[in-house]
Amino acid sequence: AQSVTQLGSHVSVSEGALVLLRCNYSSSVPPYLFWYVQYPNQGLQLLLKYTSAATLVKGINGFEAEFKKSETSFHLTKPSAHMSDAAEYFCAVSQKNTGNQFYFGTGTSLTVIP
Amino acid sequence: KAGVTQTPRYLIKTRGQQVTLSCSPISGHRSVSWYQQTPGQGLQFLFEYFSETQRNKGNFPGRFSGRQFSNSRSEMNVSTLELGDSALYLCASSFAGNTEAFFGQGTRLTVV
Repeated sequence: AQSVTQLGSHVSVSEGALVLLRCNYSSSVPPYLFWYVQYPNQGLQLLLKYTSAATLVKGINGFEAEFKKSETSFHLTKPSAHMSDAAEYFCAVSQKNTGNQFYFGTGTSLTVIP
Repeated sequence: KAGVTQTPRYLIKTRGQQVTLSCSPISGHRSVSWYQQTPGQGLQFLFEYFSETQRNKGNFPGRFSGRQFSNSRSEMNVSTLELGDSALYLCASSFAGNTEAFFGQGTRLTVV
């Protein structure tokens, strides 16, 4: 069975500050991991993905995430928050050879304070 | 390259009616998945189609069904609508299994 836990349903940061959104996963086999962002009334946009290559993954808009197997974590970071980063962020997990069935976390709403 | 297109964007239906939502995947993508997003339950997997065959199915009642056509376009149908079916329904397409999924903007279904 697979699942994703996102710690903190709401995170607020000041503009220019570090963004850290937490994601822990549970999977019986090596997972594929993803971070998606959703703006109001929009679909989901892929930020980055981990598919068993490099453990530090760089994505779009300056975001990156590190896969830590020992901690079963895949936290999302960005060195300096921008007002346009305000959105809902979802961590997702899938397994190899199971098709495109994603298990999503409950999401973290990021607020950026000017 | 055109993205995933979902139609309609907004829909209002009455309890007991049925509804059909449409999803056109990115050209060349053969996998189409459907998700239901609600404030209470979050994003939940409905089903996935690949080459016109249902490959995976989530834990939803039989009122929720889908199909995929030879051009990879997909439809999902919900019969006997309930108030709890009000949600944002998202469609995602991908080239093959486990690669990143590209999502459409969704169809906002309101059941009154």
